[in-house]
Amino acid sequence: RKEVEQDPGPFNVPEGATVAFNCTYSNSASQSFFWYRQDCRKEPKLLMSVYSSGNEDGRFTAQLNRASQYISLLIRDSKLSDSATYLCVVNWRANNLFFGTGTRLTVIP
Amino acid sequence: EPEVTQTPSHQVTQMGQEVILRCVPISNHLYFYWYRQILGQKVEFLVSFYNNEISEKSEIFDDQFSVERPDGSNFTLKIRSTKLEDSAMYFCASASSAGGPRGTQYFGPGTRLTVL
Repeated sequence: RKEVEQDPGPFNVPEGATVAFNCTYSNSASQSFFWYRQDCRKEPKLLMSVYSSGNEDGRFTAQLNRASQYISLLIRDSKLSDSATYLCVVNWRANNLFFGTGTRLTVIP
Repeated sequence: EPEVTQTPSHQVTQMGQEVILRCVPISNHLYFYWYRQILGQKVEFLVSFYNNEISEKSEIFDDQFSVERPDGSNFTLKIRSTKLEDSAMYFCASASSAGGPRGTQYFGPGTRLTVL
């Protein structure tokens, strides 16, 4: 089955906290992995691609474990503007994307 | 910065009517996609399109759906006879490549389709 599963959330954290999201995927043939964020009633926007060696972009760190088919996203020093739904996304054949249901994050002042 | 645009932003239609959702992908992109998101649910792949033909389609994309690139800029999704369960947000996306770093898909703002 082509499934992407995420922590259901919601996560409510204070400003400045560190929060981690996890995701597993079922298709071992997947080659591309992403985290998108989606604000309420808006389109998904790419947050970062996820590479096998792990990668960091400012306060965001993504990790990929192909053997366990597991992806993670770590957000450090949370800001109010980080409040959104975070979508774990994996490609299927070609470049068709399969989305998790998302994990909702609310950063509280 | 180039962006994907979609029109209309909201379409209300009666069950059984035909609707056409329009998208203008980023101008140098060659790969086009439609996704939908039913309220409160996950984003679901519908169809991918390259070189004027469908590359892949999901089980959702049945005979009621069709896509077209009628000119050099527009990419359309047609639903021939809408059903209540077609009510959703429909997102268009485009990419310059089929994979790798240039395969990043950029999404339009979506069209909210409401079928009454």
